[in-house]
Amino acid sequence: EVQLVESGGGLVQPGGSLRLSCEASGFTFSDFWMTWVRHAPGKGLEWVANIKKDGSDKYYVDSVTGRFTISRDNAKKSLSLQMNSLRAEDTAVYYCVREYSVYENDVFDIWGQGTMVTVSS
Amino acid sequence: SSELTQDPAVSVALGQTVTITCQGDSLRIYYASWYQHKPGQAPVVVIYGKNNRPSGIPGRFSGSNSRNTASLTITGAQAEDEADYYCNSRDISGNHVTWVFGGGTKLTVL
Repeated sequence: EVQLVESGGGLVQPGGSLRLSCEASGFTFSDFWMTWVRHAPGKGLEWVANIKKDGSDKYYVDSVTGRFTISRDNAKKSLSLQMNSLRAEDTAVYYCVREYSVYENDVFDIWGQGTMVTVSS
Repeated sequence: SSELTQDPAVSVALGQTVTITCQGDSLRIYYASWYQHKPGQAPVVVIYGKNNRPSGIPGRFSGSNSRNTASLTITGAQAEDEADYYCNSRDISGNHVTWVFGGGTKLTVL
């Protein structure tokens, strides 16, 4: 079964750090770009960051650039998101997502169940 | 970054047809994907590409595209279709490897 399982969420104080992890199974992890998407309470879905298949290129939404770092370990089939200098507005459910891009089809086809991050004092 | 615009809320009577739209310049180049998001659950893709439905998605869901607008149509809406629906596509403001979501449309089935 194709699956993504996130972990690492929790309660953290403003200015603190947290590291999210995502374990992939059921597919060849190294064949896909991977993405993090978040859903803040009362807000819409927001693309946060993604990483190339081999980890050589990484991209971020402006609001997290310089604070978040995405990384991957293809041997372990895992994706990570290191979050530093956390702010209240980073409070959200964070989803690990697989990008599928073939021909004219670009889609987030597999989603994890999500992990909740709460930034509060 | 690019922007995708959706109506915040739409309602439909049970069994009737409803169309949710998504507008943005990126849709002149890329097809939108559509995601159904229910509270406490992970989003699920319902339509992607020109008009593709993943396995397990009912045939009442369909998509269409015209110029800068993508549309998601539910023909014969069911109570279980009540959810938030989001479109997304690649962001064309940079090198086209980042992504953007629409603001979401809350669908109420009456």
